[in-house]
Amino acid sequence: SQQGEEDPQALSIQEGENATMNCSYKTSINNLQWYRQNSGRGLVHLILIRSNEREKHSGRLRVTLDTSKKSSSLLITASRAADTASYFCATDRAGNQFYFGTGTSLTVIP
Amino acid sequence: NAGVTQTPKFRVLKTGQSMTLLCAQDMNHEYMYWYRQDPGMGLRLIHYSVGEGTTAKGEVPDGYNVSRLKKQNFLLGLESAAPSQTSVYFCASSFWQALAKNIQYFGAGTRLSVL
Repeated sequence: SQQGEEDPQALSIQEGENATMNCSYKTSINNLQWYRQNSGRGLVHLILIRSNEREKHSGRLRVTLDTSKKSSSLLITASRAADTASYFCATDRAGNQFYFGTGTSLTVIP
Repeated sequence: NAGVTQTPKFRVLKTGQSMTLLCAQDMNHEYMYWYRQDPGMGLRLIHYSVGEGTTAKGEVPDGYNVSRLKKQNFLLGLESAAPSQTSVYFCASSFWQALAKNIQYFGAGTRLSVL
């Protein structure tokens, strides 16, 4: 069964606006990662947040983690057309395996 | 530095045929993974390897076999393809990191259709 579930499934915004997507998971984790996938390509790592961290920034990305609610959010500020992609959260599980969520498809309209 | 390379990029099989997908990485990573991606399902782990000569089952291993004879290569085999195996297959690799902080590097994917 899937560990991570992102919402919304799809999001469409105007260039310059902020985009927020959420991830919920089921069991305790060591860390949570966010990946981006451009159409027809492999996933690319964006950011990792450890279970003892609450917020992390990387450029225009801001990630929060609430372990009590088993949820995380990814905020992309001042979005650009090039941010159009699918975004996935990934959580670790035993045995060096990782669960990926079902993804949020983001469209940024120029 | 090519990163993670998957071959082939596309393949069409008939039901019952067999094939092998090849994944090669040049980053000296210990860990390698095979995922499948289906619409609405996200990525699901098929098999993975924590080092040369070792493999382990993931979430959806049935109908697939793997081998890791060399550290840089991870092969995924379909012995008798079924239409349910129509999917996009991704290989990934990573260094080991404490507390599962492995950052995975993905290949571009193999699009497989089984008729």
